[in-house]
Amino acid sequence: SAVISQKPSRDICQRGTSLTIQCQVDSQVTMMFWYRQQPGQSLTLIATANQGSEATYESGFVIDKFPISRPNLTFSTLTVSNMSPEDSSIYLCSALTGVGDNEQFFGPGTRLTVL
Amino acid sequence: KNQVEQSPQSLIILEGKNCTLQCNYTVSPFSNLRWYKQDTGRGPVSLTIMTFSENTKSNGRYTATLDADTKQSSLHITASQLSDSASYICVVRGTSGTYKYIFGTGTRLKVLA
Repeated sequence: SAVISQKPSRDICQRGTSLTIQCQVDSQVTMMFWYRQQPGQSLTLIATANQGSEATYESGFVIDKFPISRPNLTFSTLTVSNMSPEDSSIYLCSALTGVGDNEQFFGPGTRLTVL
Repeated sequence: KNQVEQSPQSLIILEGKNCTLQCNYTVSPFSNLRWYKQDTGRGPVSLTIMTFSENTKSNGRYTATLDADTKQSSLHITASQLSDSASYICVVRGTSGTYKYIFGTGTRLKVLA
């Protein structure tokens, strides 16, 4: 199993600023992901965080808006850049501990409100 | 288009009662299906995972069923407790594309005393 922590747990930010969310896993994992969950909605995959290389972004998400780092096998960051109220959401970090059909673990999420 | 639809959208039941949540998917080809429980303000936690060949899987008071022919799954909760109040999310993984999971919109369950 894997225990995932995120910082901050929540934040209120001003329009035009940027926020970096940190994700720490208590063990080495093969894959790390970032999701967005808007109020009353399900999870939407933003990108796969690749260790040592550029993240792989899903349609509708770009690196300039959501730069991602993954310097090692247990840590990743997601930055929400030049924020607008539409970016208000819960951002979740996720990890897979192996290959194949291993269980996908989720962090507690970061609740972001943009004013 | 690969989709996962859940019903009902929300459900209110009395403590001690049973309930069944539905998940229909169009993901093809299909690899596995997972049910997650998401408490308010928390990340999803896995309840069950089923592959193509599995029909039923239980985890305590939670029993998931899968009919791969009709592309339907259900999650049955027995003798509900107040702590079962949460969102339940059905997630389907296809075999094409690496680690592409399709998330349902979830069923929000409220258990009342």
